[in-house]
Amino acid sequence: GDSVTQMEGPVTLSEEAFLTINCTYTATGYPSLFWYVQYPGEGLQLLLKATKADDKGSNKGFEATYRKETTSFHLEKGSVQVSDSAVYFCALSGSGNQFYFGTGTSLTVIP
Amino acid sequence: EAGVVQSPRYKIIEKKQPVAFWCNPISGHNTLYWYRQNLGQGPELLIRYENEEAVDDSQLPKDRFSAERLKGVDSTLKIQPAELGDSAVYLCASQHRGHSGNTIYFGEGSWLTVV
Repeated sequence: GDSVTQMEGPVTLSEEAFLTINCTYTATGYPSLFWYVQYPGEGLQLLLKATKADDKGSNKGFEATYRKETTSFHLEKGSVQVSDSAVYFCALSGSGNQFYFGTGTSLTVIP
Repeated sequence: EAGVVQSPRYKIIEKKQPVAFWCNPISGHNTLYWYRQNLGQGPELLIRYENEEAVDDSQLPKDRFSAERLKGVDSTLKIQPAELGDSAVYLCASQHRGHSGNTIYFGEGSWLTVV
């Protein structure tokens, strides 16, 4: 069945460092891919998405490219800030409109 | 546009007591989800509604959990009786199918502690 596997955390970076959080997926058909972010004490918020191969989603300096050939949707940011500290979830919307979430990657950015 | 609204935000109850959570989805969203999120984990689907019909409740523990969405808008999730292992965040989400790449939008969650 459909599934998402993302890099385990926690990840700790210094401010202005480069961020990559890996996400790979397994799906039949042509899923849509998402990154959600969860700040402490809050629900999940959509960060970015891509609905077809080679699409690049971007928001708030974060980017992810839908790579069908490697079944990946890695999240990147060139220069992280303290305010980016949160938990990041990769997700897939596949056949039957079912959503599958990864287990989350906790990011802490230190000044 | 208002987002997904959930209440209560926080609830502490003793085991064996009942508890109910309420969700008001984004206006016009016909699909509604209830997820459970344990500490340090991703959301796990409990039930999905298309309008007022529960189309996927395979992961809902039906011995103690129930849900309803009577008029295809608001929804209620109930646990009776609660157990210690039910302590988690209960997330409601909604979606306008076929729109915006099938994005689902979450509420802030209802944080349940069973003592």
